[in-house]
Amino acid sequence: QITLRESGRTLVKPTETVTLTCTFSGFSLSTSEVGVGWIRQPPGKALEWLALIYWDGNKFYSPSLKSRLTITKDTSKNQVVLILTNMGPVDTATYYCARGLRHFDHWGQGTLITVSS
Amino acid sequence: QSALTQPASVSGSPGQSITISCTGSTSDISTYNYVSWYQQHPGRAPKLIIFDVNNRPSGVSNRFSGSKSGNTASLTISWLQAEDESDYYCSSYTGSNSWVFGGGTKLTVL
Repeated sequence: QITLRESGRTLVKPTETVTLTCTFSGFSLSTSEVGVGWIRQPPGKALEWLALIYWDGNKFYSPSLKSRLTITKDTSKNQVVLILTNMGPVDTATYYCARGLRHFDHWGQGTLITVSS
Repeated sequence: QSALTQPASVSGSPGQSITISCTGSTSDISTYNYVSWYQQHPGRAPKLIIFDVNNRPSGVSNRFSGSKSGNTASLTISWLQAEDESDYYCSSYTGSNSWVFGGGTKLTVL
């Protein structure tokens, strides 16, 4: 059974940096043709793709957020970490991690990150 | 990259068929066969229902089908059921090692 779970601070102040961790089970990021990505969804709004990391270490970022994002993996811990710097109110959203390469077939439940002073 | 364009809402009666369009550009949908569709019920995570334009994951009803023509992809739901009432999102690879989602479509079953 494949599961993913997001964790991290749920309330951050403007200009702060947030670190989100995706802990997964049922698959390995050391297996060929496997990736884990991050997608977010502001309240009442659409999904937005953020970043993706492949089994081979290749990393891909949303062009509009590339300067603020860092994605890393720890294969031994079955974790993928997303760092988003300089948080602002527009970054308030539910952040999901999901398994996939060209599509996302398993998703975590999501974690709501609120940016407020 | 710009989000893919979907109608804000569609509706249909039980037993009918509906189609949701997803319009992109020459840099995404028209060039790559990496279009996927997701169903999202309120308060829940998205669920993959179509991948690579017209493939269904195991366990997804065959009432869901996908297609593509030019820069527009489509999701068709046949024999509409009350449980299909949900938000639907399309997604496509954009070629520059990035992905893009559509703005989402709210399906109402009358």
